[in-house]
Amino acid sequence: ELKVEQNPLFLSMQEGKNYTIYCNYSTTSDRLYWYRQDPGKSLESLFVLLSNGAVKQEGRLMASLDTKARLSTLHITAAVHDLSATYFCAVDIYTGNQFYFGTGTSLTVIP
Amino acid sequence: EPEVTQTPSHQVTQMGQEVILRCVPISNHLYFYWYRQILGQKVEFLVSFYNNEISEKSEIFDDQFSVERPDGSNFTLKIRSTKLEDSAMYFCASYRGDTEAFFGQGTRLTVV
Repeated sequence: ELKVEQNPLFLSMQEGKNYTIYCNYSTTSDRLYWYRQDPGKSLESLFVLLSNGAVKQEGRLMASLDTKARLSTLHITAAVHDLSATYFCAVDIYTGNQFYFGTGTSLTVIP
Repeated sequence: EPEVTQTPSHQVTQMGQEVILRCVPISNHLYFYWYRQILGQKVEFLVSFYNNEISEKSEIFDDQFSVERPDGSNFTLKIRSTKLEDSAMYFCASYRGDTEAFFGQGTRLTVV
């Protein structure tokens, strides 16, 4: 079974600082997704990475994928309070099979 | 923007009762999923559905669970005899096959 691990599990950072969340997975795949979840809410799609070397940026968030290393990163630049949420990465191996979710990283941005 | 719709948003049921959770996926999507999330914990896969049949299911999805797409638009999850440990947020998702899966707002199931 494909395993997806994220670290850190919990992240508390000050506003204005930079940080990176890591997502490792155990089986070859070139399809990785990042989602954001606010407390009690649904999973909101942030990024879709579908090839080795893919890089996507939206505002203060940038995601990248290295399929050879089986690693994706979510980089936060100059964090603001609104980014406080739980971030999940997810991987699927082929179209239509399940999306394997990481453990989630709970991010708190402190003023 | 198309979205996945789930009803009800919150369901309270007594242990041993049957519940049906309903979902309306995005209309041109082909793959449908149910996931659940116990409060503050990981997102757990239950089942995937394609071409009117189950394509994959997890160990959680035992004989107490079933899914159906009765009319070409709704996608339902039935739990026949609920247990306390079934209390969770249940998310439906749909997927066209080329971008990402879109998740509904969830049904919070509380078994008492």
